[in-house]
Amino acid sequence: AQSVTQLDSQVPVFEEAPVELRCNYSSSVSVYLFWYVQYPNQGLQLLLKYLSGSTLVKGINGFEAEFNKSQTSFHLRKPSVHISDTAEYFCAVSGGDKLIFGTGTRLQVFP
Amino acid sequence: EAEVAQSPRYKITEKSQAVAFWCDPISGHATLYWYRQILGQGPELLVQFQDESVVDDSQLPKDRFSAERLKGVDSTLKIQPAELGDSAMYLCASSLSTGSYEQYFGPGTRLTVT
Repeated sequence: AQSVTQLDSQVPVFEEAPVELRCNYSSSVSVYLFWYVQYPNQGLQLLLKYLSGSTLVKGINGFEAEFNKSQTSFHLRKPSVHISDTAEYFCAVSGGDKLIFGTGTRLQVFP
Repeated sequence: EAEVAQSPRYKITEKSQAVAFWCDPISGHATLYWYRQILGQGPELLVQFQDESVVDDSQLPKDRFSAERLKGVDSTLKIQPAELGDSAMYLCASSLSTGSYEQYFGPGTRLTVT
């Protein structure tokens, strides 16, 4: 069975500062990893995904994530955040087709 | 750009009443998913369809929830009777096929049961 742990429920940060949102997973099989963003009262939008190949994955809106198999992590990073990045971010794992989501991290960007 | 459509966007209902949500996936997407997202939590899969067939409904409370995708295109999720604990966001997603990994989500239906 797969599971996802998002270590921080909230991350406050000032505009233009770097940010890292942490995600750890557990799985007994090969996994595929995803980060989704959710703005208030909206659905989820895919930021980036790791299926295979390079462990550094670049996504939309300047986000990137690094797959670390030995540490079973898939942390999300952005070098300089904007006010518009304020949202809920979900890490998810899939061993096949079913997506298992973490509990989310609320990124709050302050001016 | 093609999108997953859901209606209504918001629904308020009294407990013990029936409620239904509708989802129209991206054209050509064979796999359709219904998720429930309780406030402060991540989405949890309720049911997955491949065309008109149910692939996984292990987390669907079948005593009160039902889902159908009769022609393998759009889908309806029904709750009867609604309970206070059903208040949540109900998200629909679709993908090209089972195993295509990338799921596209609709805007969701926010249900409030009073």
